[in-house]
Amino acid sequence: AQSVTQPDIHITVSEGASLELRCNYSYGATPYLFWYVQSPGQGLQLLLKYFSGDTLVQGIKGFEAEFKRSQSSFNLRKPSVHWSDAAEYFCAVGASSRDNYGQNFVFGPGTRLSVLP
Amino acid sequence: ETGVTQSPTHLIKTRGQQVTLRCSSQSGHNTVSWYQQALGQGPQFIFQYYREEENGRGNFPPRFSGLQFPNYSSELNVNALELDDSALYLCASSPGRANTEAFFGQGTRLTVV
Repeated sequence: AQSVTQPDIHITVSEGASLELRCNYSYGATPYLFWYVQSPGQGLQLLLKYFSGDTLVQGIKGFEAEFKRSQSSFNLRKPSVHWSDAAEYFCAVGASSRDNYGQNFVFGPGTRLSVLP
Repeated sequence: ETGVTQSPTHLIKTRGQQVTLRCSSQSGHNTVSWYQQALGQGPQFIFQYYREEENGRGNFPPRFSGLQFPNYSSELNVNALELDDSALYLCASSPGRANTEAFFGQGTRLTVV
């Protein structure tokens, strides 16, 4: 069964500092991988996704993520954090085959990001 | 704005009652999935509807049921509410049942007392 772990429950960084949020997944085939962000009391907004091809993917708001098959990881990075980036970040895995009907997201537990001024 | 709207935004119910949550999918999307997000946790898949039929289900009891209508909007019904059902319920719509992309609504915050 698919699973996603996010080892860091809470991370605090200073504004302007770099950021890396960790994500590890367990899935037998090539996964579809996603990062979502959730502000307090809000729904989920897609930051970026990986389906195939270039293992470094660019997303919105200056975020990027790198897929490393050998490490089963899909870490999210940002070179310079802004105060508005404070939120909850979720890594998710989905099915890779279009023949697997009824597929869905398996989310990690999330990492809460706090940003110091 | 994703174009996915959920109603109501908040509600409070008493243990044992029944509740119906609603979701309007984004235009052109025929697939709707529901997720339960307990406080401090990631969302968990409840079920998915594709063209008015259930198309996959997570590890939730039968008292969680749903519907999808011809216009692809959807309802989530929960019977015999328990305190642990208190959560944010998220709806996501997709252009197809293949897991390529989903757009989430703002959610309905359900509190069971």
